[in-house]
Formats: sequence, C-alpha cells, structure tokens
Amino acid sequence: QVQLVQSEAEVKEPGSSVKVSCKASGDTFSSYSVSWVRQAPGQGLEWVGGVIPVFGTTNYAQKFQGRVTISADESTNTAYMELSSLRSDDTAIYYCAGAAGYDILTGHYRDWGQGTLVTASS
Amino acid sequence: QSVLTQPPSVSGAPGQRVVISCSGSFSNIGAGYDVHWYQQLPGAAPKFVIDGKVNRPSGVPDRFSASKSGTSVFLAITGLQAEDEAEYFCQSFDSSLSAVVFGGGTRLTVL
Repeated sequence: QVQLVQSEAEVKEPGSSVKVSCKASGDTFSSYSVSWVRQAPGQGLEWVGGVIPVFGTTNYAQKFQGRVTISADESTNTAYMELSSLRSDDTAIYYCAGAAGYDILTGHYRDWGQGTLVTASS
Repeated sequence: QSVLTQPPSVSGAPGQRVVISCSGSFSNIGAGYDVHWYQQLPGAAPKFVIDGKVNRPSGVPDRFSASKSGTSVFLAITGLQAEDEAEYFCQSFDSSLSAVVFGGGTRLTVL
C-alpha cells in the first residue's frame, strides 16, 4: 500500500498557474502510475491526466491539453500537477490517485491523496 | 453531463439490499473496459471499493459486489449499514475520448 500526501491549499489569481505536489511513501514509484482527479464544489469527479513515473509517460484529458503538465520525480517519490491560465471554474479539490502497475487509463485507483483545494479568485 | 450515467440518489433501510447502476455505451462499458467503484464520505477523499474484476481491497466487506449486463454495470450492497451512507462513483475508460471517465455519482441514504 502507498500513502499519498499532497501539498497545502492554494489561492491563485485568474490567469496564473498552480503546481500541486503528491509525495508517496511506503512502496516506491517503481511499478506505479499516478493520476490527477479533480472535484469542483458539490460536483462529481473529473480526470485531469496521469503519469507513469518510471517512464515519464503522460496522458492528459483533451479538455486540459496545453494547460496542464503532469510530471514525477522518482528520486523523491513525488508527482506534480501544474495547471496554467487558471479560470474561476478551475476552483476544485485536486486529488492525486495511484494505481499499481503501468495502466494510467484502465486501471483502478487504489490509493488517494487527501486532496488539495485550489481556489482561482481575484 | 457525465459519459457514465448514475442515478442521483438511492436509499434503503438497514439490512436491505440496494443496487446502484452505471450506464455507459459501446465506447466504454460495452467495449469491455473494466468499471471500478469508489465510495466518498462527506469531506473525504474517494476510497476504492471494488474493481472491474470484482476484487475488493482488504477492509471492504463482501456485502459489496458488482455485476455487468450489456452497457451497464451494477454495484450491489447487501445488509445495508449506516456506515454505507456515502456518495458512490463508477469509473471506466472511454475509447472515443481516449480518457478516463467517471459517473456523476450516486448519493446513498440509509433510512
């Protein structure tokens, strides 16, 4: 089992960028993929994208292509999600979610971070 | 509008059985992609409940089960308990979107 601990809440101006981190403890990233899922206030879950740390391979939801960068640092077992050109409707809790193996797209998310609230507001 | 459709709410009395549906199409559930289920308590992160191969993580009781028919998948919870009251989400892959997709969520109320 892997424990995922995310960075603290952020308040950002519309148009700026935010970078959220997700540090894994327990088992390492060696056979693991990390995805990012967001949840707007009172809404459902929305997949943003994911990364396979050992290969650096990424997949992004088309909606976020060009605005999101997901990366991972194997040396620190930390994954990152950077979202740029923030809009008010990007206000949401962003979760990192981990899956055993290298399947970003069809596997299940066994492990979840505690969530990071990102507020885009002036 | 979610790609996977769930009923907004279901309810049942303690001890009863409830079923939550997750309806998709031929580009996701109908194409054979696994459907996974998550439970989310208020103010908490989602928690994995059961996967597409009907495997449950340790700690999830066998009162939770899943089945499939055509382009729909069903989460059944038997022997309903107060602690089961939560929001439930289904998740799969959609080949048309080439993306992970979630259902809109179903609020389970234990009466």
